[in-house]
Amino acid sequence: ELKVEQNPLFLSMQEGKNYTIYCNYSTTSDRLYWYRQDPGKSLESLFVLLSNGAVKQEGRLMASLDTKARLSTLHITAAVHDLSATYFCAVDIYNNNDMRFGAGTRLTVKP
Amino acid sequence: NAGVTQTPKFQVLKTGQSMTLQCAQDMNHEYMSWYRQDPGMGLRLIHYSVGAGITDQGEVPNGYNVSRSTTEDFPLRLLSAAPSQTSVYFCASSTRTGKVDGYTFGSGTRLTVV
Repeated sequence: ELKVEQNPLFLSMQEGKNYTIYCNYSTTSDRLYWYRQDPGKSLESLFVLLSNGAVKQEGRLMASLDTKARLSTLHITAAVHDLSATYFCAVDIYNNNDMRFGAGTRLTVKP
Repeated sequence: NAGVTQTPKFQVLKTGQSMTLQCAQDMNHEYMSWYRQDPGMGLRLIHYSVGAGITDQGEVPNGYNVSRSTTEDFPLRLLSAAPSQTSVYFCASSTRTGKVDGYTFGSGTRLTVV
């Protein structure tokens, strides 16, 4: 059975701290996406990772992809309150535009 | 540039009623899809289309129909609404490969079936 698993599902952290969100998937794919969703809002594309070893950074967020381990990480550096949101990873199944999502990680950054 | 437009934003249906959720994009994207979002379950793919005249089923297609007569429009039809279809529905579009910017999502339709 195809699975996309994120952990943790809930993350509460203090401002200034670092943390990593993990995304494991169970099928062959070299296309992985990270999205952000604010409460009651739509999804915003953060990163598109297209090959093994891909690393992308935007501000305090950095995403990486290891296709051999079927693992992607989203690293948060020196968290700030504005990063509070739910973060989803999604895997493009068989590189065929059939995109499957993880359950999401609800991040809360406290002062 | 409107991007992906979904209508309506909110809808309440009675069990057994039918309705169509509208989705339109103005980016000339080949690929369009419908997802439903339920608490704690992320987004689940209902149906998708890789171009006009072509549709396919996703993870949870039962109870939903789609068609793709034009590149711009991808409506989702509920033929006989059930309480289990209470959810938030998102439409998304991308280029065929989605490689450049990922997928663009609409603002969502919050559907309640009573």
